[in-house]
Amino acid sequence: NAGVTQTPKFQVLKTGQSMTLQCAQDMNHEYMSWYRQDPGMGLRLIHYSVGAGITDQGEVPNGYNVSRSTTEDFPLRLLSAAPSQTSVYFCASKKEGSNEQYFGPGTRLTVT
Amino acid sequence: AQSVAQPEDQVNVAEGNPLTVKCTYSVSGNPYLFWYVQYPNRGLQFLLKYITGDNLVKGSYGFEAEFNKSQTSFHLKKPSALVSDSALYFCAVRDASGTYKYIFGTGTRLKVLA
Repeated sequence: NAGVTQTPKFQVLKTGQSMTLQCAQDMNHEYMSWYRQDPGMGLRLIHYSVGAGITDQGEVPNGYNVSRSTTEDFPLRLLSAAPSQTSVYFCASKKEGSNEQYFGPGTRLTVT
Repeated sequence: AQSVAQPEDQVNVAEGNPLTVKCTYSVSGNPYLFWYVQYPNRGLQFLLKYITGDNLVKGSYGFEAEFNKSQTSFHLKKPSALVSDSALYFCAVRDASGTYKYIFGTGTRLKVLA
C-alpha cells in the first residue's frame, strides 16, 4: 500500500491564482481530512469527509473547497489564493471505527 | 467547544533521562485523546491513544501516556529518552459524542541532548 499520497510536494502561487492540492489513499478509508500547519498554531482542520459524497467544514474552511466523488480521492481547491494561505497542508485518512489517522507527507504552499 | 493545550513550546532533556511532554484538554463529553509525532519534513505519525479503560496507555517507540480525568491531562512520557526521540509532538482530542472533528494542540518540540 502506498498509504496517503499528496501532490505536489511544493507549490508557489501568485495572489489570485487557483489550484488544487491532490490527496489519495489506497486503504479504503472512509474518513479523510485536510489540515494546515502553521508555526505556533499547530494543525488546524480545514475540511473533512466521512465518505464519498459527504463533506463538512472544520475550523478554518474559508477560502477552500473540497469534494469527495470517490473513496480514494479528496482534493482541496484554492479558488483565489491569498498570502494568508501560505502554509504546509496535510491530508489524513482513517478507517471508520478506528481512531488512528494516517497522514500524507504534506504540501508546502507559498503564495506571493 | 473542544480544545487542547500544550503549554511548552520546547522541552529539553538529556539522553537517558525520563521525559514528559504535557497536554491538557477540554471537551464536553468523554474524550478520545491522542499523541502524534512529526519528524522533520514528514507527516504526522500516530503514537498512542486513550479511548477508555486503563489510565496508563502504552504506545510506539517506548512511549506511554497517563490520562488524568480530574486534571484533564494526558501527558506523554518515556522512562529513558533517546536522541532519536527529538521531534515535534502533538496532542489531539476528539469528542466521543460522535463528531469527527479532531483538534490538535500547537505542538511541543522535544530536544534530546547527547
